[in-house]
Amino acid sequence: DIQMTQSPSSLYASVGDRVTITCRASQGIRSDLAWYQQKPGEAPKRLIYAASTLEGGVPSRFSGSGSGTEFTLTITSLHPTDFATYYCLQHNTYPRTFGQGTKVEIK
Amino acid sequence: VELVESGGGLVKPGGSLRLSCEASGFNFRTFGMNWVRQAPGKGLEWVSSIGSGSSSIYYADSVKGRFTISRDNAQNSLFLQMNSLRAEDTAVYYCARDSWVVSNGFDSWGQGTLVTVSS
Repeated sequence: DIQMTQSPSSLYASVGDRVTITCRASQGIRSDLAWYQQKPGEAPKRLIYAASTLEGGVPSRFSGSGSGTEFTLTITSLHPTDFATYYCLQHNTYPRTFGQGTKVEIK
Repeated sequence: VELVESGGGLVKPGGSLRLSCEASGFNFRTFGMNWVRQAPGKGLEWVSSIGSGSSSIYYADSVKGRFTISRDNAQNSLFLQMNSLRAEDTAVYYCARDSWVVSNGFDSWGQGTLVTVSS
């Protein structure tokens, strides 16, 4: 099985900060990675797919990069609505595996 | 696209439950579907996937042999039959649609249904 190691598990940031979240795959997954945002009591929402393609309607302050085993989600200027938990998910092989999640909290 | 789960509830350990996901707003029979769960206060866990024609089915090791995924394309519905339930199966269960390009991930999610396994 492919393990997805996501870091950090949580971070404190202020509005306007630049935030970077990393996912590392235990073996190469090409660009078969998506990023999701989840707010309390809500279903996850896809932000990015194919490692770097922005979902329609998602603000351009979100971006994704990477391929193979190293992937990054960047929020260039944190907005109040961005405080949430973020997950990566590999879609290269079964079983599908999520990262452990990164909770972005207000400093 | 709309996905609406139902069938969750309180069940005793060892019991069974059948979850349903009713799909609308898209051609259900042409998309792969999935179940993903989230235990209280925990992260997301993929549970099972089924291809558009039901020929490809996959399970997480944690549910293999106890859960069965199925679909009825005529009724635009996805199901998860859960048997021999354990306390650790307690979670919100989401159904999620595969992207048209499967390797692009799950592009739509339902609101979830809560399953509680407790005596």
